[in-house]
Amino acid sequence: KAGVTQTPRYLIKTRGQQVTLSCSPISGHRSVSWYQQTPGQGLQFLFEYFSETQRNKGNFPGRFSGRQFSNSRSEMNVSTLELGDSALYLCASSLGPNGGGGYTFGSGTRLTVV
Amino acid sequence: AQSVTQLDSHVSVSEGTPVLLRCNYSSSYSPSLFWYVQHPNKGLQLLLKYTSAATLVKGINGFEAEFKKSETSFHLTKPSAHMSDAAEYFCVVSVSEYGNKLVFGAGTILRVKS
Repeated sequence: KAGVTQTPRYLIKTRGQQVTLSCSPISGHRSVSWYQQTPGQGLQFLFEYFSETQRNKGNFPGRFSGRQFSNSRSEMNVSTLELGDSALYLCASSLGPNGGGGYTFGSGTRLTVV
Repeated sequence: AQSVTQLDSHVSVSEGTPVLLRCNYSSSYSPSLFWYVQHPNKGLQLLLKYTSAATLVKGINGFEAEFKKSETSFHLTKPSAHMSDAAEYFCVVSVSEYGNKLVFGAGTILRVKS
């Protein structure tokens, strides 16, 4: 059974640009959540989608947005990139609406903003 | 609000000796708790989870954790450390009043000496 797939694995962008990251959950999983990992702030919750609806959003500026498609794949977008957006972005998928079955993480996308 | 505190940022043990990684949680209701491990430049792997069943939870690779409500603790243990256990470990609480959201501890880096 395929795991959670995140693409691309690595990205280098320039300040001011925008970026789109993709996450394909485990087949049958309908919940996708996103996390940002940095050395200074640790792992922080960005947002969560279930059946194409955003149900939770973390404390991040509006430059961070996301969406979920009917096949449960999710994308997150960061506009007007800043140096501080450099991080490992992880997504997690879960089967049910309340974490039933636990959370499986992808390998992440490492974003470097120069 | 739900939170977790990992009491040690670094733990160093010798190979073959016991491992103890400490975690205290704060939750307004019965929580779901997890331990995840992250090897360098890798995603997060689930070690074990507590979801209000047995208070002693067994996980992968010989790890286990005990949920102690009176002490609000969920410490991770292993009887005998192996070199491959060297990694960063995260204690995590699930906030699921509405939607799936994980709150992470700051992490504990485990070093295993030969």
